[in-house]
Amino acid sequence: EVQLVEFGGGLVQPGGSLRLTCEASGFVFSSYWMSWVRQSPQKGLEWVANIKVDGSETNYLESVKGRFIISRDNAKNSLYLQMNSLRVDDTAVYYCTRGGGNFDPWGQGTQVTVSS
Amino acid sequence: DILMTQSPSSLSASVGDRVTIICRASQNIYRSLIWHQQKPGKAPKLLIYGASTLRSGVPSRFSGSGSETDFTLTISSLQPEDFATYFCQHNYTLPRTFGRGTKVEIK
Repeated sequence: EVQLVEFGGGLVQPGGSLRLTCEASGFVFSSYWMSWVRQSPQKGLEWVANIKVDGSETNYLESVKGRFIISRDNAKNSLYLQMNSLRVDDTAVYYCTRGGGNFDPWGQGTQVTVSS
Repeated sequence: DILMTQSPSSLSASVGDRVTIICRASQNIYRSLIWHQQKPGKAPKLLIYGASTLRSGVPSRFSGSGSETDFTLTISSLQPEDFATYFCQHNYTLPRTFGRGTKVEIK
């Protein structure tokens, strides 16, 4: 069974940092682009970033460029999102998902709350 | 960025009803359109990709159609497990963007 499990979310103050991790199982992780997508009541679903199979290409939502870094470790079947200089409007549930555009499947999500 | 507009934002329907949800893209995305279903407290699930290709395991009562800027998701006979929120998403270019969703509620 294909499974994606995220962890690392939490409450952080504006300007702080968090690192999200997504552990994949049930498929050949190194063969797939991977993405992060977030969801908030205010903005709905927002694609955040994606990364090529070997990590050689990354793409970002304009509002997170320079603050977030997506990376992967194919030996550990893991995807990461390093989030720096967090803002209140980064508050959302963050989902790890397989694919660069056809997002399937999705993890269960991890809540990130940015508040003072 | 490509704006995806869904209508209606919500609808009430009964079991057995035929339901149609519309998604419009702000520019031509050819057939690069995906539909997701999301139930409360759960992650979205991909239903349809390429505008009309059903993901393996998705019931045949779901269908998708359209091209360029206008797309439709149809549920031919609504079942109790179909009450959920449906989102369209384009896969044409970056950034990928989503519609705001259509909530299908029980009448």
